[in-house]
This record gives sequence, structure tokens and C-alpha cells, in this order.
Amino acid sequence: AQSVTQLDSHVSVSEGTPVLLRCNYSSSYSPSLFWYVQHPNKGLQLLLKYTSAATLVKGINGFEAEFKKSETSFHLTKPSAHMSDAAEYFCVVSEPNFNKFYFGSGTKLNVKP
Amino acid sequence: DTGVSQDPRHKITKRGQNVTFRCDPISEHNRLYWYRQTLGQGPEFLTYFQNEAQLEKSRLLSDRFSAERPKGSFSTLEIQRTEQGDSAMYLCASSSLTGELFFGEGSRLTVL
Repeated sequence: AQSVTQLDSHVSVSEGTPVLLRCNYSSSYSPSLFWYVQHPNKGLQLLLKYTSAATLVKGINGFEAEFKKSETSFHLTKPSAHMSDAAEYFCVVSEPNFNKFYFGSGTKLNVKP
Repeated sequence: DTGVSQDPRHKITKRGQNVTFRCDPISEHNRLYWYRQTLGQGPEFLTYFQNEAQLEKSRLLSDRFSAERPKGSFSTLEIQRTEQGDSAMYLCASSSLTGELFFGEGSRLTVL
């Protein structure tokens, strides 16, 4: 069975400081993992994906995530937060062949000026 | 705009009425997914199609929910005899075989 746990429901950072959004997964298979972002009144957008290639994955808007099998983690980071990063972020694990995707409960990122 | 479009964006209905949502996916995508999202939760899988075939349906869906994708193009999600617990955002996404989901902006259902 696949599942995702996002360890923080809310994260607040100051503009220009690093961002860390934590995600742990459980998977019966070699997982494919994703991060999506949802801005208010907008559709979900893919930030990055891991599909068993390089363990450090670079995404859009300066975000990165590192796949750590030993820790079953896929944390999302960004060196310097921008006001436009304020949104809700979802960690996602998929079944093989992308038949079904399991979303975490989301982390709301607040960026303070 | 060649993204995923959903209609209507917002539907208010009375309990017991039927509602139907439509999703137009990206034209070259052969996979289409429906998800439901309630406040404070992540999207929850409802069903998915590969071309016109409905390959999986969530056990959480009651018999009041039905989805179709005739000719492998647009899809409809119908909810019969709506209940207040059906109030949610209904999300549609399409995909090729790469695993990247492209989402519409959702259809928000409010059942009074």
C-alpha cells in the first residue's frame, strides 16, 4: 500500500530564508514521488518528480527535493523563500505505471515580509 | 488555452438533486483522473480512465457516483441524490504516460 505523511500542516518563514517542507512516504514498490503546489483559486501544478533516477531532484522556481530511501523521506527545500511561494504544497506517491496517486494532507507555506 | 478545463466552476444545489461536472482534458492525454478535495485535506482519488475505459474506481464512491469518458475525450462525473457530505471540490487531471498530472481549476460543489 502507498501513503504519504506530511509532517507539518503549516510552515511560516521570512522572505529570503530557507524553506523545508517535510514528507515521509510508505510504498510497497519502488516509489515515484512528486511535489505539487496549489495557489489560492488555482489548479494544482507539478513542482518536481522523482522516478528512480538521480536522488536529488530539481524543480521549478528554485525548489529541490531529495529522495532518501533509508529514511523513506522526500523533503522539499528552497534556499531562499519569495513572497510568491506562499501556497499549499502536496507530497504525492504513485502506484507503478501511474495508475493511482496518493496525496498527503498538505502543508500551507506562509512567507512573511 | 490548451490546459484542462472544468465546468461549472461552482455549483450550488439542494440535497437530493443530481449534478453533473464536465472535464475537458489536454487533447493528447490518454489518461484522465477525478479527485475530490475537502477543506484541509489533500485530494482523494475517485476514479481514472485510460482512453474510454474506466480502469479503477475508489471503494469510497457510493453507487450515487458515476463517471464516463465517451470516445476517450471529455469526461463527466455525475452525482445522484446529492447529500451534504458531497460538498467538496471535484478535481480533474489528465496525463500522458509520464506520470505528470495536469489539473483543472476544479468544480466546487455546495449542497444545501
